[in-house]
This record gives sequence, C-alpha cells and structure tokens, in this order.
Amino acid sequence: DAGVIQSPRHEVTEMGQEVTLRCKPISGHNSLFWYRQTMMRGLELLIYFNNNVPIDDSGMPEDRFSAKMPNASFSTLKIQPSEPRDSAVYFCASSQTGGNTEAFFGQGTRLTVV
Amino acid sequence: AQSVTQLGSHVSVSEGALVLLRCNYSSSVPPYLFWYVQYPNQGLQLLLKYTSAATLVKGINGFEAEFKKSETSFHLTKPSAHMSDAAEYFCAVSEGGSNYKLTFGKGTLLTVNP
Repeated sequence: DAGVIQSPRHEVTEMGQEVTLRCKPISGHNSLFWYRQTMMRGLELLIYFNNNVPIDDSGMPEDRFSAKMPNASFSTLKIQPSEPRDSAVYFCASSQTGGNTEAFFGQGTRLTVV
Repeated sequence: AQSVTQLGSHVSVSEGALVLLRCNYSSSVPPYLFWYVQYPNQGLQLLLKYTSAATLVKGINGFEAEFKKSETSFHLTKPSAHMSDAAEYFCAVSEGGSNYKLTFGKGTLLTVNP
C-alpha cells in the first residue's frame, strides 16, 4: 500500500483565497483524522471521521474551516477565506476502527498564507 | 476526557547516553497509549503502542516504554542514544471504543550531541 497520500505537499496562497487540501487514506481504514501542527500549539486534532461520518469536529477553529469525506477513499479540508494565522502543516491520518490500532500519517501539506 | 502531558519540550543527551522521555496521561477508561516519532519535514510514524497485553512494550529502533497505571505514566526509554535518534517524539492516548479518537501531547524534541 502507498500509505496515506496528501496533496499538495506545499501550498502558498494569498490571504482571502480558498484553499483545499486533499487526502487519500489507506484502503480498508475506516477512521480518518485531520490534524494541524504549529510551533505554538503543537499537534491539534481538527476533525475525525468514522465510516465517512464526521464524529467530532470540535477542533475546527472556526466556520472558515470545513471538511468532507464523500467516500471511503477521499477527504478534503477547505479553508475559505484563508488568513495568515492558518499557516501550518496539515496532516491527514487514517486507521482501522478500534482504540488499539495505530493511526498512519501522511507526509503533510505545508500551507503558507501571505 | 483524555489528555496527555509530556514533561520537557526539549531533551538533550550525549551519544551513548540513556534517553528518557516522559509522558503522563489522563483517561476515564483504561487507555491505549502510543509513542510516535517525527523526523524533519516528515509525518509521524509509530514507535510502539500499549494495548494492555504487557506493561513493558518494545518498539522499533531499540526504544521501549513501560505502562504504570499507579503513576498514569508511559515513559519512553532507550539505553544508548544514537545520532539518528534526533527527532521530535509524541505521546498519544486513545480511549478506544467504536469512535476512536487519538489525542497527542505537545511533543519533546530530542537532541543528540556527539
């Protein structure tokens, strides 16, 4: 398996623009997570899905952020409009359901909003 | 609610010295515990996990961790540090169940000096 695939790896955008980050989880995994990593706040869980259904989105910072998982093999995280404080590395991870199974992480998308 | 505290955001050791990275958790149910490692510009990868089978868990690259319920701790150790161990290390907790959620600590940056 190719692992969790995220695209793009790097994104530079201007403030106010819409940004869409994409994730393809590992086949057969039914839990998917979006995390944000910054120097100040560390690794934050934004939202996670189980069987394509959003279970907990309490970490989504505000209404400018939205996430979807239309099917088991694809998820998006959208920021609209983007702001400089959204600059961070965004990770997608997937796992099989069950607390004793580890999450597998993608390489991340480094987002810079100027 | 589950949470993780990693004591020490930065640990520096000499090559060949003992590595000790501390992690304390809070969980309302028996937890599943994980240690992940992150190398620069990469995603997180699993070092080891505790799933209640044995309190002393061995992982990759010579690392191990011991689950101590009375101390609510899951400290990571390695007898002899190698230069290649320099990375950021994250402790994480899950309470399991059908709705799996993985919560991370803020990470500890390990520096290995020659």
